[in-house]
Amino acid sequence: NAGVTQTPKFQVLKTGQSMTLQCAQDMNHNSMYWYRQDPGMGLRLIYYSASEGTTDKGEVPNGYNVSRLNKREFSLRLESAAPSQTSVYFCASKTGVQETQYFGPGTRLLVL
Amino acid sequence: TQLLEQSPQFLSIQEGENLTVYCNSSSVFSSLQWYRQEPGEGPVLLVTVVTGGEVKKLKRLTFQFGDARKDSSLHITAAQPGDTGLYLCAGARGAQKLVFGQGTRLTINP
Repeated sequence: NAGVTQTPKFQVLKTGQSMTLQCAQDMNHNSMYWYRQDPGMGLRLIYYSASEGTTDKGEVPNGYNVSRLNKREFSLRLESAAPSQTSVYFCASKTGVQETQYFGPGTRLLVL
Repeated sequence: TQLLEQSPQFLSIQEGENLTVYCNSSSVFSSLQWYRQEPGEGPVLLVTVVTGGEVKKLKRLTFQFGDARKDSSLHITAAQPGDTGLYLCAGARGAQKLVFGQGTRLTINP
């Protein structure tokens, strides 16, 4: 039981490049989330998916797109990376009933 | 706009001392959670408080939810070096969303 896994662990991009961050969970959770963590800002919600087939914007969605591929997988795409998107990105999941969110280990992204 | 304000943002104390971290908001939350995050890892849930005035204890850690469900505190008694980490409070907004505070980076010196 791996919990929440994220790939890649580290990535360096040039401004304007695109990439997709992958997230998968094996806990049969309904809801999945993408956050970014910046110094002094805590975690800010980018997008979330309450259930398979649905996605909704969070606090800071601009510059990102998401896909809930199936119940297990939720990907985050940066179409044209900007230096302001340099951050640590966390994926999380939870069941529909409990409020506990389980987090992955994070992806560290540097945009030059 | 930070809906949840944590204080202090940084705290460095000696082993054996007591400390309190505060999490304040002008908004009401249905519940409030405290997470701890180690370097290079994701946050891990410590506790969830739901009822106004609720107090929960986890060994040397005591968590309290304010009567109006707008604020919370984390008190650590006799801090140990193993308590070092980033502590995050998060308020539940509806069934799906959490709003996080900025975090308190705690260092316990031997």
